[in-house]
Amino acid sequence: DGGITQSPKYLFRKEGQNVTLSCEQNLNHDAMYWYRQDPGQGLRLIYYSQIVNDFQKGDIAEGYSVSREKKESFPLTVTSAQKNPTAFYLCASKFLEGVGNQPQHFGDGTRLSIL
Amino acid sequence: AQSVSQHNHHVILSEAASLELGCNYSYGGTVNLFWYVQYPGQHLQLLLKYFSGDPLVKGIKGFEAEFIKSKFSFNLRKPSVQWSDTAEYFCAVNAKDNYGQNFVFGPGTRLSVLP
Repeated sequence: DGGITQSPKYLFRKEGQNVTLSCEQNLNHDAMYWYRQDPGQGLRLIYYSQIVNDFQKGDIAEGYSVSREKKESFPLTVTSAQKNPTAFYLCASKFLEGVGNQPQHFGDGTRLSIL
Repeated sequence: AQSVSQHNHHVILSEAASLELGCNYSYGGTVNLFWYVQYPGQHLQLLLKYFSGDPLVKGIKGFEAEFIKSKFSFNLRKPSVQWSDTAEYFCAVNAKDNYGQNFVFGPGTRLSVLP
């Protein structure tokens, strides 16, 4: 079955440590997105990518980095510069316009906590 | 840039009660509108979407939503809720701006249905 796989499901970070969250999709979607979900704030966009080797900052990109070396993969690195990284991170993907405006499909998320 | 607001942070209903969750967006151009649901411990799933045509759209599990362009609203309704509808509901807007194909999500409304 096609879908979006995020790993790990739970992740713990020590102070000063970088961690990388994985997102893989086998839906042949063009665009991929990373959101951060905090209670009462909904989903906030961190980064997105519409094409391989290209990505754009979202609303809260500071302290995060991404790469898009392959169409199916969009890993997110939470760097030590992100002072409040404890959150639920969601990856999403979708087809771009051309075949109608498609909804985003979401992974199951990764919950990141600070030790 | 567009923004989305949802009227209620937490709604508590008894089974068989009628449901209406408010969603308003700010954007002067063409929009596509979505409602997503996140059941406890699960990923976000698409409930319904509006692209064009009939402003009353029907989704899965008996949900429907009405797009009122003059009010910039896209309220979600269900005539009779069930305990299994307990979840968090997110309204989302997709409009072309500097972010291209980006979605903007509302803060979410938590629905608790009492048996």
